[in-house]
Amino acid sequence: AQSVTQLGSHVSVSEGALVLLRCNYSSSVPPYLFWYVQYPNQGLQLLLKYTTGATLVKGINGFEAEFKKSETSFHLTKPSAHMSDAAEYFCAVSYTGTASKLTFGTGTRLQVTL
Amino acid sequence: DTAVSQTPKYLVTQMGNDKSIKCEQNLGHDTMYWYKQDSKKFLKIMFSYNNKELIINETVPNRFSPKSPDKAHLNLHINSLELGDSAVYFCASSRADGETQYFGPGTRLLVL
Repeated sequence: AQSVTQLGSHVSVSEGALVLLRCNYSSSVPPYLFWYVQYPNQGLQLLLKYTTGATLVKGINGFEAEFKKSETSFHLTKPSAHMSDAAEYFCAVSYTGTASKLTFGTGTRLQVTL
Repeated sequence: DTAVSQTPKYLVTQMGNDKSIKCEQNLGHDTMYWYKQDSKKFLKIMFSYNNKELIINETVPNRFSPKSPDKAHLNLHINSLELGDSAVYFCASSRADGETQYFGPGTRLLVL
C-alpha cells in the first residue's frame, strides 16, 4: 500500500523567502511522485512530477522538487516566495500501470506575508 | 479549450434527492477518474474507468454510480443524497499508463 505524509498543514513565509514544503511517501514499488497546487475555489494544477531519470525536477512558477529514495522524500522548494504562491499544495504518489490511482497527502496551505 | 470540464460547477440540493455530475475530457485520454475532496481538503479516489470499463471502485456506497458512455465522458450519479455527501467532486483524466492526471475545476455539492 502506498501513502503520503505532508508535514505541516500550514506554512507561512515572508515574500521573498525560501519556500519548503515537505512530503514523505511510502510505496512498495518505485513511485511516481507529483505536486499539485490548488488555488481557492479552483481545481488542481500540476506543478511538477517525478517518474524516472533525473531526481531534481523543475516545474512551473519557479518550483522544483528533489526525489530522495534513501529518505523517501519529495520536498517542494522555491527560492523566493511571491504573494501569488499562496494556495494549497498537495503531494501525491502513484505507480505505473493501467488506471493508477493517485494517493494524496493531506495538503499544506502556504501563506505568504509582506 | 478546457481540457477537462465538469457540469455543474455548483449544486445545492435537498437530502434524499438524486443528482448527476457530468465530466468531459478533450485530451484523448483513455482513463478517467472521480475524486472526492472533503471539508478538510482531503482528496480520495472514488472510481476509475479505462476505455469505458470500471477499473477502480474504492468502497464507495452503492448510492454512487459512475457511467461512461464513451471514453471522453464519465458521469457520476448519486441517489438518495445524504448530508455527508457534501463535498467537492473532481473529475480527472490520464493516459492509460496513469502517469499524469489532469483535473477538472470541480463540482461543489451542498446537501441541505
